[in-house]
Amino acid sequence: AQSVTQPDIHITVSEGASLELRCNYSYGATPYLFWYVQSPGQGLQLLLKYFSGDTLVQGIKGFEAEFKRSQSSFNLRKPSVHWSDAAEYFCAVGVQGAQKLVFGQGTRLTINP
Amino acid sequence: DVKVTQSSRYLVKRTGEKVFLECVQDMDHENMFWYRQDPGLGLRLIYFSYDVKMKEKGDIPEGYSVSREKKERFSLILESASTNQTSMYLCASSLSASGYTDTQYFGPGTRLTVL
Repeated sequence: AQSVTQPDIHITVSEGASLELRCNYSYGATPYLFWYVQSPGQGLQLLLKYFSGDTLVQGIKGFEAEFKRSQSSFNLRKPSVHWSDAAEYFCAVGVQGAQKLVFGQGTRLTINP
Repeated sequence: DVKVTQSSRYLVKRTGEKVFLECVQDMDHENMFWYRQDPGLGLRLIYFSYDVKMKEKGDIPEGYSVSREKKERFSLILESASTNQTSMYLCASSLSASGYTDTQYFGPGTRLTVL
């Protein structure tokens, strides 16, 4: 069955530090991969998505993600975080046959001043 | 900008009550979704609809039903609310009927408490 694992439930980084959020997926076919962000009190917003082509994908708010097929991973990165990046981040895989997304458990990001 | 609105931000109901959660999107999207969000479990799909009067079960449909009489509106119904349905409910929509490739646009959520 398709699944997405985000190994880190909660991460704390200092403002200005670099960030990497991990995502591993299990899916038999070519994956369609997404990262969404949920700021406090709000719905989810798409950060970026990967379908094919260049394995390094650029998104909004200075985020990027790298698809590594050999590791079944799609990790999210940002070189320098801002206090406004404090939020919950969700990785998701698109399931073709079921016409739906399967989400990971989420990673909550806290920023220290 | 796409706007997805949900009828209530917070809702408190009693066990056994019938509960309606309403969702409206303003961008003529084909697909609409209902998820529940619980700590440590991420988002789980309850139902989705790819057209008016059409619906498909998601991963956790038990105890829920849905209605889509108009393209812009998708309702989630708890026929007899139970305490284990206390959760955050998120509605989303996407442009086409391709539920696995399209960007989904989310509403702000309804936090439902069942006492």
